[in-house]
Amino acid sequence: GAVVSQHPSWVICKSGTSVKIECRSLDFQATTMFWYRQFPKQSLMLMATSNEGSKATYEQGVEKDKFLINHASLTLSTLTVTSAHPEDSSFYICSATDLRGNYNEQFFGPGTRLTVL
Amino acid sequence: DAKTTQPTSMDCAEGRAANLPCNHSTISGNEYVYWYRQIHSQGPQYIIHGLKNNETNEMASLIITEDRKSSTLILPHATLRDTAVYYCIVRGRGGSQGNLIFGKGTKLSVKP
Repeated sequence: GAVVSQHPSWVICKSGTSVKIECRSLDFQATTMFWYRQFPKQSLMLMATSNEGSKATYEQGVEKDKFLINHASLTLSTLTVTSAHPEDSSFYICSATDLRGNYNEQFFGPGTRLTVL
Repeated sequence: DAKTTQPTSMDCAEGRAANLPCNHSTISGNEYVYWYRQIHSQGPQYIIHGLKNNETNEMASLIITEDRKSSTLILPHATLRDTAVYYCIVRGRGGSQGNLIFGKGTKLSVKP
């Protein structure tokens, strides 16, 4: 299967700082990438969908000015958590897909654990 | 909201078949049934998907009822490494209908 990587795998930051998480498709071109958030003992919640070269579409309740998403190339999307607070501590997971084909499977990254002190 | 209903948890003995049920009574004709699993602190892993026919791959088998209102994921010989949360997802094709909406899933515990 296709490989999606995330960097960093974990990060600890101080409250009020910004954190950038990268999501890369390593062996395929991703027209679309998805960002999910997962709190402890809960399921994954879709935050936003990003298409290469265009603005991201955010799910209801997700602040676009707080969670900045950039998808500048077909292999890289970034999620920046701005002015992070302890309640933003979570497991952030991306997935990637190529919608140009008939079979648009989503491949998931390993996740990034963010802890805000 | 997720369009599926799954038991919260299940146990299975190592080496035995694990049968995980899923109800999706409101599934529409062009929606697929997908199964993913998530091992603790990792990203979800694709297992299998189907539309109306039964499917089998190297990981599992998927049995979909004739009316498509329910399905069963079968892990033929469960191992300890199969302990994970298993998600059954109904997914359309195209646009936001292709988004994966995760429910609570079934926590499968494989015991020695």
